[in-house]
Amino acid sequence: EVQLKESGPGLVQPSQTLSLTCTVSGFSLTDYSVHWVRQPPGKGLEWMGVMWSGGSTAYNSALKSRLSISRDTSKSQVFLKMNSLQTEDTAIYYCTRGPYWGQGVMVTVSS
Amino acid sequence: DVVLTQTPPTLSATIGQSVSISCRSSQSLLHSNGNTYLNWLLQRPGQPPQLLIYLVSRLESGVPNRFSGSGSGTDFTLKISGVEAEDLGVYYCVQSTHAPFTFGSGTKLEIK
Repeated sequence: EVQLKESGPGLVQPSQTLSLTCTVSGFSLTDYSVHWVRQPPGKGLEWMGVMWSGGSTAYNSALKSRLSISRDTSKSQVFLKMNSLQTEDTAIYYCTRGPYWGQGVMVTVSS
Repeated sequence: DVVLTQTPPTLSATIGQSVSISCRSSQSLLHSNGNTYLNWLLQRPGQPPQLLIYLVSRLESGVPNRFSGSGSGTDFTLKISGVEAEDLGVYYCVQSTHAPFTFGSGTKLEIK
């Protein structure tokens, strides 16, 4: 069964760095790409970036300077790091592979 | 970046009514490999999005066949033939032909 699960801190201080982990099961990261998508409260979906199965990445133009996506295939984990967080980065962060989505993790940026 | 314009932003329907949602792209979504990577998602309240339609018109496994997708190039449509109560939520189109991938702004379906 394919599953994705996001984990990370629920609260991050402004200007700090967000680190999230997506732990997957039921498939190999070398066979499928994993995307990160976020959703501010009450707003729409925003594609953040992707870890391709071959190991390369692509990012949302608006976030590219602050965002980094990496992986550990031995642990079936994909990592998201985003620096210089501001209040507008408050959102639910999802990892997804095609039709499969994690439940998301709510991240609040506040002092 | 590709901009996807969804209309209408909100839709109110009675049970059994058929409705359509439009998604227009700022550029053609036809990939050089011949595929058009335009999907439709439904996000029910408090839930992550769910894939309904992929590659414009292919129904995801387990999705009721009252959902259908059509279109080409820059114009796409999601149709629900006979709305049911469980269909309420926000519908999004999303393109993955051109990086960065982009979502439409969403259409909220309310049940009268």
